[in-house]
Amino acid sequence: AQKVTQAQTEISVVEKEDVTLDCVYETRDTTYYLFWYKQPPSGELVFLIRRNSFDEQNEISGRYSWNFQKSTSSFNFTITASQVVDSAVYFCALSERWNSNYQLIWGAGTKLIIKP
Amino acid sequence: DSGVTQTPKHLITATGQRVTLRCSPRSGDLSVYWYQQSLDQGLQFLIHYYNGEERAKGNILERFSAQQFPDLHSELNLSSLELGDSALYFCASSVAGVDTEAFFGQGTRLTVV
Repeated sequence: AQKVTQAQTEISVVEKEDVTLDCVYETRDTTYYLFWYKQPPSGELVFLIRRNSFDEQNEISGRYSWNFQKSTSSFNFTITASQVVDSAVYFCALSERWNSNYQLIWGAGTKLIIKP
Repeated sequence: DSGVTQTPKHLITATGQRVTLRCSPRSGDLSVYWYQQSLDQGLQFLIHYYNGEERAKGNILERFSAQQFPDLHSELNLSSLELGDSALYFCASSVAGVDTEAFFGQGTRLTVV
């Protein structure tokens, strides 16, 4: 069963609009980690954020913000005042313990298109 | 620049051939991961090595193998190549396990003709 769901396959917005990328996860662990990565058209994946399950504080980094809600098992990513350079595929990932090791489970990704 | 180096960047080869992809992790990182990304597909985890030992296997075909050497660089060997193996192969490294952030190389674009 898929444990990281990014229900939005593709989102298209006009520049300067705010956009939220959804990530819903499923885990039985109490200790886990959530990640967001960005894959621009150039192809290389870029780490954006890591959050552990005990830290529910929202985080803001410039125009990027993340909303972690354990009650709804969601870790959503919002870009404020989007720019064309934000166009990319964004992946959410979950790291949970499995057989005494952690395994990393990736969502299918959301393709974000920012139109000028 | 992530600090992870993958070579070659592009590779074109014929079906049935064997290729080796190379990855040098960031300085200090002990974990190396290999991923396959087909066109318009998500990331498929292949294998994870930590300090020279295999830690986890994903959807890696038997025709594929990997290893991590004492200097921590890693190689992914793909043999008996098929057209469907054409993809972008990423290497990533992290300081510890998958609970730490990973840094990705630029990938190797493999085209099997």
